Amino acid sequence: DADVTQTPRNRITKTGKRIMLECSQTKGHDRMYWYRQDPGLGLRLIYYSFDVKDINKGEISDGYSVSRQAQAKFSLSLESAIPNQTALYFCATRGLPADTQYFGPGTRLTVL
Amino acid sequence: KQEVTQIPAALSVPEGENLVLNCSFTDSAIYNLQWFRQDPGKGLTSLLLIQSSQREQTSGRLNASLDKSSGRSTLYIAASQPGDSATYLCAALADRGSTLGRLYFGRGTQLTVWP
Repeated sequence: DADVTQTPRNRITKTGKRIMLECSQTKGHDRMYWYRQDPGLGLRLIYYSFDVKDINKGEISDGYSVSRQAQAKFSLSLESAIPNQTALYFCATRGLPADTQYFGPGTRLTVL
Repeated sequence: KQEVTQIPAALSVPEGENLVLNCSFTDSAIYNLQWFRQDPGKGLTSLLLIQSSQREQTSGRLNASLDKSSGRSTLYIAASQPGDSATYLCAALADRGSTLGRLYFGRGTQLTVWP
């Protein structure tokens, strides 16, 4: 089984809809991250969390919110989706060994 | 702010060649540097991680080096194979200040190895 899982893997939605992307991990890591990837722009950090009570904004947090429900779960929400939020979204954890980052398989989100 | 640059952006070579992918970073205050592989539409797979106190790491045909003072890392791929075709990304983990714990990515080198 994968250490970092994301659901859904693909989602098509309409402008204005509320969307939640979920991430679960079995690595026992405290640190979790949400990134988006766009062609030509690379990976950009949306939010990160160092433990259940610690949430931090990344470089592109506007239009997004997160919830750390437990050590193993970190959800990303788009309160009112817009077309320029169409992207590939990745969840990641960081921890042992050696502070390695482990990525989930990604969620491809399309906002029409 | 840390900026990570990868050169070249794309590389196409015949099978069997030895390759060097370059990564440079502007702030030497890094905790580690990690190289990833990404296949089209897929997630990122960690290849090698070099701690700031280390000079290099090796795994099979892959060797990564780190020179903090010059802000550079290289990924060396020996005897390339078509299965090595993918995008390779490097990422620097910040180790201090307001950016502690954040990973800064380059935009990647898209590698194609043809038979």
